[in-house]
Amino acid sequence: DAGITQSPRHKVTETGTPVTLRCHQTENHRYMYWYRQDPGHGLRLIHYSYGVKDTDKGEVSDGYSVSRSKTEDFLLTLESATSSQTSVYFCAISERGGGPTTGELFFGEGSRLTVL
Amino acid sequence: GESVGLHLPTLSVQEGDNSIINCAYSNSASDYFIWYKQESGKGPQFIIDIRSNMDKRQGQRVTVLLNKTVKHLSLQIAATQPGDSAVYFCAEKGGTYKYIFGTGTRLKVLA
Repeated sequence: DAGITQSPRHKVTETGTPVTLRCHQTENHRYMYWYRQDPGHGLRLIHYSYGVKDTDKGEVSDGYSVSRSKTEDFLLTLESATSSQTSVYFCAISERGGGPTTGELFFGEGSRLTVL
Repeated sequence: GESVGLHLPTLSVQEGDNSIINCAYSNSASDYFIWYKQESGKGPQFIIDIRSNMDKRQGQRVTVLLNKTVKHLSLQIAATQPGDSAVYFCAEKGGTYKYIFGTGTRLKVLA
């Protein structure tokens, strides 16, 4: 299994509070992603990173920000959580740094966030 | 717009039978496809992938078929086992970073 660790795995918070989810990888992959998964929807991209301090928006980025200060860590922040952000969040990684391009995308175990 | 869809939301198969899960994609520029298995409460697990220069790829008990003419992808699972019960979904990749995912098919294995 790819070395991807998400924390926390479960969190309950109240509307208006800030929340940060962490993704840590030990695979030296260049690309890191944050997705959300909701019933009736496929995985939807929130933000992604193509290198340290290099990030870009995905299709559902409103209300979220990210940071990547080290190759191995990618943080997702909800500045002021809303009930619509209740979801399961998955981190994913691809493209081993310095290695051949493969396209394989590997996921973490997910972080379940409930916003009351 | 771009979409990756599945024909059946739920597929029930008898233990020991073969399973076929289908996926349609609309982006003819996509050049890489992945099948994932997702068990309840877990993250998607990479099963098998295929590039657009191939029509078929086999793994352990799984085969992926790609028909670029009709933009169709299928996952075949041989001798389906209870442990195969999960949601399966496909993904397509058409650029450097962008993956598009289907909503998934739930596979139920009947004893």
